[in-house]
Amino acid sequence: DSGVTQTPKHLITATGQRVTLRCSPRSGDLSVYWYQQSLDQGLQFLIQYYNGEERAKGNILERFSAQQFPDLHSELNLSSLELGDSALYFCASSVRGTATNTEAFFGQGTRLTVV
Amino acid sequence: GDSVTQMEGPVTLSEEAFLTINCTYTATGYPSLFWYVQYPGEGLQLLLKATKADDKGSNKGFEATYRKETTSFHLEKGSVQVSDSAVYFCALSPNYGGSQGNLIFGKGTKLSVKP
Repeated sequence: DSGVTQTPKHLITATGQRVTLRCSPRSGDLSVYWYQQSLDQGLQFLIQYYNGEERAKGNILERFSAQQFPDLHSELNLSSLELGDSALYFCASSVRGTATNTEAFFGQGTRLTVV
Repeated sequence: GDSVTQMEGPVTLSEEAFLTINCTYTATGYPSLFWYVQYPGEGLQLLLKATKADDKGSNKGFEATYRKETTSFHLEKGSVQVSDSAVYFCALSPNYGGSQGNLIFGKGTKLSVKP
């Protein structure tokens, strides 16, 4: 158990809908990262938050947004969903804002299926 | 931009065989390098890491050496076990002055070890 909790584990929704994925980082970790894992694109970095502030942005679509709350949990919002958004979404957390000398711990992921 | 290329799988080996999974990277500056492992149905776990040239990361019998001259970080294990069956990801963390901590992943290599 990595200590990172993601809910829900599975989500099935229709095209055009909006969903929210939730992540609780390990106790004491200030940084949260979101990744998307799909068969064709592999693991893609979406966005990073550190202590409530956006720190880095990767290949995140404009239809997607995220935030980190004062209690450090994070939510990833996906809207106007398309079939191609079906993927496994991972959250990871680390103590500091850089992975250079610290370990990122991954949750078990939320599998999103858009039908 | 920064990128990671790793050998495509799947790789199928017999128990006690020698394992090499090749990984090369493209990055500016001096990234940190990682190997993560993903067991079926689980999130990613850090296997080993190296933060500077000539560093050797090791864990659970796996080793990888940070080779700046060849921009490589190949994963090796002398004798694999059935329990090593998993998907292995090579990753780098760009060194942008320490302000970001996101990881850039290779596409993953699936390893199957037969008894």
